[in-house]
Amino acid sequence: GNSVTQMEGPVTLSEEAFLTINCTYTATGYPSLFWYVQYPGEGLQLLLKATKADDKGSNKGFEATYRKETTSFHLEKGSVQVSDSAVYFCALSDGSNAGNMLTFGGGTRLMVKP
Amino acid sequence: DTAVSQTPKYLVTQMGNDKSIKCEQNLGHDTMYWYKQDSKKFLKIMFSYNNKELIINETVPNRFSPKSPDKAHLNLHINSLELGDSAVYFCASSYDLAGYNEQFFGPGTRLTVL
Repeated sequence: GNSVTQMEGPVTLSEEAFLTINCTYTATGYPSLFWYVQYPGEGLQLLLKATKADDKGSNKGFEATYRKETTSFHLEKGSVQVSDSAVYFCALSDGSNAGNMLTFGGGTRLMVKP
Repeated sequence: DTAVSQTPKYLVTQMGNDKSIKCEQNLGHDTMYWYKQDSKKFLKIMFSYNNKELIINETVPNRFSPKSPDKAHLNLHINSLELGDSAVYFCASSYDLAGYNEQFFGPGTRLTVL
């Protein structure tokens, strides 16, 4: 079956530090890959996505590249801000199954200190 | 305007009771979902509905029943509530079943069973 593994948190960084959150996946077919972010007390919102190998998703200074050879979709940001503090979820949708089911990683809490 | 809304935001109830959570989306999407997020932030799909037809049901106890009166609404009814049902429940929607489509999440309903 499908699975997503991401680094456990919390990740604590100082403002303007470089961020990497690792994500690897196992899937049948050709999945689409997503990063969702959950701010405290809120629902999830899409941060970025990539739908085929070598695609790079980017948004708000965050980037992730779909690496089929390493089955990875690592999230990076060059300079984090306090407002980036949230829980980040890596997810995949396997286009071969019915229902557009999202399989999520366990989430990584990021805390950015001033 | 809120794209995906849920009511109530908080629900506290006793074991054995029956409760419902309502979800509405004003995006004109064909597909809606229910997810459960446990205390460790792990997210798991419960149901997927496309044009009022159940697509998937991920080993959810039959005490949980989704009800969709129309394409814009997907309510979650829970019978005989148990302690283990305590979690945050998220409703989501997407344009259709295609795997590359973003899912839009509601703000969540925190259910506490005493």
